[in-house]
Formats: sequence, C-alpha cells, structure tokens
Amino acid sequence: GNSVTQMEGPVTLSEEAFLTINCTYTATGYPSLFWYVQYPGEGLQLLLKATKADDKGSNKGFEATYRKETTSFHLEKGSVQVSDSAVYFCALSDSRQTGANNLFFGTGTRLTVIP
Amino acid sequence: DAGVTQSPTHLIKTRGQQVTLRCSPKSGHDTVSWYQQALGQGPQFIFQYYEEEERQRGNFPDRFSGHQFPNYSSELNVNALLLGDSALYLCASSVRKGTAITSNEKLFFGSGTQLSVL
Repeated sequence: GNSVTQMEGPVTLSEEAFLTINCTYTATGYPSLFWYVQYPGEGLQLLLKATKADDKGSNKGFEATYRKETTSFHLEKGSVQVSDSAVYFCALSDSRQTGANNLFFGTGTRLTVIP
Repeated sequence: DAGVTQSPTHLIKTRGQQVTLRCSPKSGHDTVSWYQQALGQGPQFIFQYYEEEERQRGNFPDRFSGHQFPNYSSELNVNALLLGDSALYLCASSVRKGTAITSNEKLFFGSGTQLSVL
C-alpha cells in the first residue's frame, strides 16, 4: 500500500540554521511527492513537489529531491527564518498507478525557529 | 477571489449526535475532497465529490457521508458521532477537466472545521 514516514518533531532551530526534515515513502507504483506547510490557523499550502525520480522541487528557499533508490524526499533549507515556523507535511499521490488522486500524508513535523 | 471556505470553524457535539460540515470551493473549481486530521496526525482522505457524485472513498465507515450541490459546494455528514471523530476536518478543492484525473498539484485547502465530540 501507500504510506509516508516522516521525521518526528518538534524541531527547534535558531534563525539562519540549516534545516532537514526526513521523509521516506512506500508506494505501489511511481508516485508524485509533495511537501505541504500548515501555518497556525491556516489551511495546508503546497510548498513544493516532484513528479518523477531525480526531480528537485524548490520554493521559497526550500528544496527536496525525489530519490527512488532510497524512497526518500527529504526537505531542506539552508537558512531558516522565524517566519518558517509551521507544521510541514510530506505527502504522496499514486494516481498514475491507482487512478485515484487522493493524497497520503505523513504525520507532520512542527518547526519552531527562534530569533 | 475567495479561496476555499469552510463553516463552521468550530463545533462541539456529544456522542451519538449527527453533524454537518460545509465547504465552498475556490472559484472555478468543481471537485471537492474531504480529509480528517486527528490531533498530531496528518490528514486522512475521506472521499471526493465531482459532478454531485462520490468518486473516490478512503477507509472510513458509512457513518461518513457527503453531498455535492450544483454550485459545486459540498457537505460532509457524520452520523452517530464517536469520541474518536474529534478532529480537524479539511476540505480541498480542485479542477477536473473532462475525464482527466485532477492534478494534486492544484489542490487548495480550506482552514478546516474543528469538531470536538464530548
């Protein structure tokens, strides 16, 4: 079946520190992979995506590379800001294999950045 | 342009009651999906509606049902509420073009309805 395993939090970093949030997945086919971010009191927002192996998704200084050999999609940012404090969710969609386009989410990682 | 709007924002019910949550999709979107997010967990897919019919369903019991209206808005109904139904319920909208499967890359989420069952 499809599942996502995400690094447990919470994660607390100082401003300008390097961020890595680990994500590994299990899928029956060749899924698309996503990172979503949830700011306090707001809905989930798509942060970045990758649809095939070796693709790199990037947005707002965040990056993640689709690694088929390690079934991973780790999120990284070189220098975090206080405004990056949020909950981050790794997710996959296996629509090309199953025909269904629902998302499977990890449990989320809460990031707090302190000045 | 309003995004996805959900109502109410918070709701308190008791066990055994029934609840209806509402969602208005983003302008121009015709497909609505519902997710349940328990505390400390990631969202779990409940079902998806398109053309007023349930098209996909996740692993949720029949107590969870839905409806989509001609204006694309949607309702989620939960009957015989259990304590374990306490969660944030998220609505997401997207566009489905013809028979093409909706791209998840264009999925927009609402802020959710926080349901507490006492």
